[in-house]
Amino acid sequence: SQTIHQWPATLVQPVGSPLSLECTVEGTSNPNLYWYRQAAGRGLQLLFYSVGIGQISSEVPQNLSASRPQDRQFILSSKKLLLSDSGFYLCAWSRTENTEAFFGQGTRLTVV
Amino acid sequence: AQKVTQAQTEISVVEKEDVTLDCVYETRDTTYYLFWYKQPPSGELVFLIRRNSFDEQNEISGRYSWNFQKSTSSFNFTITASQVVDSAVYFCALRLMGANSKLTFGKGITLSVRP
Repeated sequence: SQTIHQWPATLVQPVGSPLSLECTVEGTSNPNLYWYRQAAGRGLQLLFYSVGIGQISSEVPQNLSASRPQDRQFILSSKKLLLSDSGFYLCAWSRTENTEAFFGQGTRLTVV
Repeated sequence: AQKVTQAQTEISVVEKEDVTLDCVYETRDTTYYLFWYKQPPSGELVFLIRRNSFDEQNEISGRYSWNFQKSTSSFNFTITASQVVDSAVYFCALRLMGANSKLTFGKGITLSVRP
């Protein structure tokens, strides 16, 4: 069966510090991978998605970047965090672009 | 552009009541998928159901049922005999069929089931 791992679960970082959130998927190959952010108030915003190694599409201009160094690994990064980067970050995968996405357990990031 | 509207923001019911969560979507495309997800307090989004635009058959799974009506662009979710464990945020989502399509989520409905 397929599983998705996302870590860390919670993170408190000072403004201006770097960020690296990691997500890995097991039990499948060549998944589509996604990073979402859920700010207070619940709305889910797609940040990045990837259909293959090294292929990243950005949905909104922001202080964040994503990379996919391996088939089942998706990393969300920032060189310098802003207060507005605080939120709940969710990684997800799907078999193709036309199927449901399965989500990780999320990382709650607080920038102080 | 696609849009998903969940007009209800918070619903509170007493255990064993039935509750319907509304979802209205907008798209000019004729081929698409609709989804419901559940987000319990732990935060992880749990996939509940996927329907495609070709299939308007309603679906029942235990206490859950879904009513898809293309004529009104709605995909409503009913929980029968609600339980405390049903307390969560529920999201409706839309994805067009085809390459590079993305999930568009509604803002979610917070359901509280009181004992």
